[in-house]
Amino acid sequence: NAGVTQTPKFRVLKTGQSMTLLCAQDMNHEYMYWYRQDPGMGLRLIHYSVGEGTTAKGEVPDGYNVSRLKKQNFLLGLESAAPSQTSVYFCASSYGDRRDEQFFGPGTRLTVL
Amino acid sequence: ELKVEQNPLFLSMQEGKNYTIYCNYSTTSDRLYWYRQDPGKSLESLFVLLSNGAVKQEGRLMASLDTKARLSTLHITAAVHDLSATYFCAVAFLNDMRFGAGTRLTVKP
Repeated sequence: NAGVTQTPKFRVLKTGQSMTLLCAQDMNHEYMYWYRQDPGMGLRLIHYSVGEGTTAKGEVPDGYNVSRLKKQNFLLGLESAAPSQTSVYFCASSYGDRRDEQFFGPGTRLTVL
Repeated sequence: ELKVEQNPLFLSMQEGKNYTIYCNYSTTSDRLYWYRQDPGKSLESLFVLLSNGAVKQEGRLMASLDTKARLSTLHITAAVHDLSATYFCAVAFLNDMRFGAGTRLTVKP
C-alpha cells in the first residue's frame, strides 16, 4: 500500500497564478484533510472532507478551494496565489472521524513569488 | 477556545541525558497523539493515547496522558542523536483535532 501520496512535491508560482494539489489515499479512509505548515505554527487545517462529495472549512480556508469527487482523492486548489500562501502543504486521512489517528502524505512545498 | 500548547518549543540536549516535553490543552479530551517529523519529511505517528492514565513506550520514548490535568508528556531517556526531530502532539476534541506548535529537539554528542 502506498498510503497517502501527494503531487507535486515542489512548485513555484507567481502571484495570481492558479494550481491544484492532488492527494490520494489507498486505505479506504472516509476522512481527508489539507493542512498547511508554517514555521512555529504547527499544522493548521485548511479544509477537510467527511466523505465523497462533501467538504468543510477548517481554521484557515480563505484563498483555497477543495473537491472530493472520488473517495480516494482530495484536491486543493489555489485560484489566485498570494505570497502569504507560501508554505508546506500536507494531506492526511483518517478512517472514522476527526478524532481518529491521521496518516500523512509526504508534503508539497509551495513558493509563491 | 481550543488550544494546544507545547513546551519547550526548542530543546537542545546532550546525548545520554533525560528530558520531558509537555503538551497542555484547554478543553476536555481523552484522546491524544504524538507525531515525529524529521526535517523536510512528513509526520510519522509515534503514540496513540486513548484514556486517562495511558502510558506507551517505544525505545527511549515514553508518552503519558493525564486527562484531569489536561496534560500529556513525552519523556526522553538517555537521548541519542537519532532522536533529533520535531515532535508534535495532537489533541482530539469533540469534533476536531488540534496540533501543538511542535518541539524541535536537537541531541548533541
